[in-house]
Amino acid sequence: GAGVSQSPSNKVTEKGKDVELRCDPISGHTALYWYRQSLGQGLEFLIYFQGNSAPDKSGLPSDRFSAERTGGSVSTLTIQRTQQEDSAVYLCASSFDRERAFFGPGTRLTVL
Amino acid sequence: QKEVEQNSGPLSVPEGAIASLNCTYSDRVSQSFFWYRQYSGKSPELIMSIYSNGDKEDGRFTAQLNKASQYVSLLIRDSQPSDSATYLCALSQPDKLIFGTGTRLQVFP
Repeated sequence: GAGVSQSPSNKVTEKGKDVELRCDPISGHTALYWYRQSLGQGLEFLIYFQGNSAPDKSGLPSDRFSAERTGGSVSTLTIQRTQQEDSAVYLCASSFDRERAFFGPGTRLTVL
Repeated sequence: QKEVEQNSGPLSVPEGAIASLNCTYSDRVSQSFFWYRQYSGKSPELIMSIYSNGDKEDGRFTAQLNKASQYVSLLIRDSQPSDSATYLCALSQPDKLIFGTGTRLQVFP
């Protein structure tokens, strides 16, 4: 069956521009996670959705980051006024039991 | 103290040997633990989950959990070059999955 999909796969942007990253979870998965992985680093937790609600937004690095989920399905991570330190791979994962997570291929973001 | 700690490695083992990967955690409340494998340039994939003390075997993989000592380990028997990857330990909290930074495993022929 279809796995988690993310778009775009690659995004190059200029410092100060806004970007939107999209995640399509596996159908029926109510839990959705966003992580960030810088080169050679571990997974940094950003935000978790249960349905359309995000009970814990504490992982978002700054107020330039926001995320939403609609219809209990697609999620969008928005970064405003991008900075060079935002460059990383942004990974989305979904889960049917909130624990066993299935990852998408990621979006590689490069801020020039 | 990080919530999930792993030795970054690399851990180098010869083909056919047993690779032992370890993870310690600080959250005594967590009940669910996971091992993910991440090949270079790819996304993590779940390979094992463990919820109770003791061993859980799946093919060449054995996960071990000791809640009293707060550690989780992963044994890979008959290691193959294709097992070369970074192995991430993770635990479940009410509103997040927390990952360690991973241990890089190299299996040489």
